Amino acid sequence: EADIYQTPRYLVIGTGKKITLECSQTMGHDKMYWYQQDPGMELHLIHYSYGVNSTEKGDLSSESTVSRIRTEHFPLTLESARPSHTSQYLCASSESYYNEQFFGPGTRLTVL
Amino acid sequence: DQQVKQNSPSLSVQEGRISILNCDYTNSMFDYFLWYKKYPAEGPTFLISISSIKDKNEDGRFTVFLNKSAKHLSLHIVPSQPGDSAVYFCAASAGDDKIIFGKGTRLHILP
Repeated sequence: EADIYQTPRYLVIGTGKKITLECSQTMGHDKMYWYQQDPGMELHLIHYSYGVNSTEKGDLSSESTVSRIRTEHFPLTLESARPSHTSQYLCASSESYYNEQFFGPGTRLTVL
Repeated sequence: DQQVKQNSPSLSVQEGRISILNCDYTNSMFDYFLWYKKYPAEGPTFLISISSIKDKNEDGRFTVFLNKSAKHLSLHIVPSQPGDSAVYFCAASAGDDKIIFGKGTRLHILP
């Protein structure tokens, strides 16, 4: 069973607030990913990391930022939340290219 | 421009019958394909994968078929069970550690 955790599971917040979505994995995976998904749509990669101190932007432009100071931790931050940021955010990790990605349960963010 | 297309948003299948989910792709550089299953309020879970050097991969009730010339893959579930009701995502990768997902197909297994 995959051990990847996301908190909070649900977040409702007002416009302009700073938020951090937490993601942690206990599998020792070097590669970690953040996806954004709207209902009925595909998962879009917004950030990824190949290891500590490595972060890259994904294919979908996002105003969020990420950090990777520890192997197990890959938080995502929005400095000033807006209603357009309302979405589900999914974190994933993998061991290597030919290994599947393990997903966390997701954070459903609503910005009012 | 969608590189991975799942043209059926939903599919209903009788319990015990075969479920066939289809997926088309446009990028000929894709060399690894995956299927994920997602229940509501949960993250996707990996189901089965196939490398481009194969045309079939089987794992229990799940079989994935790859037709490279047609840029098409399909997932067969036999026999379908109530617990198979979920959204199924087709995904593909081109060797750069990034996975491109389709929009998903919602599978309903009818009693």
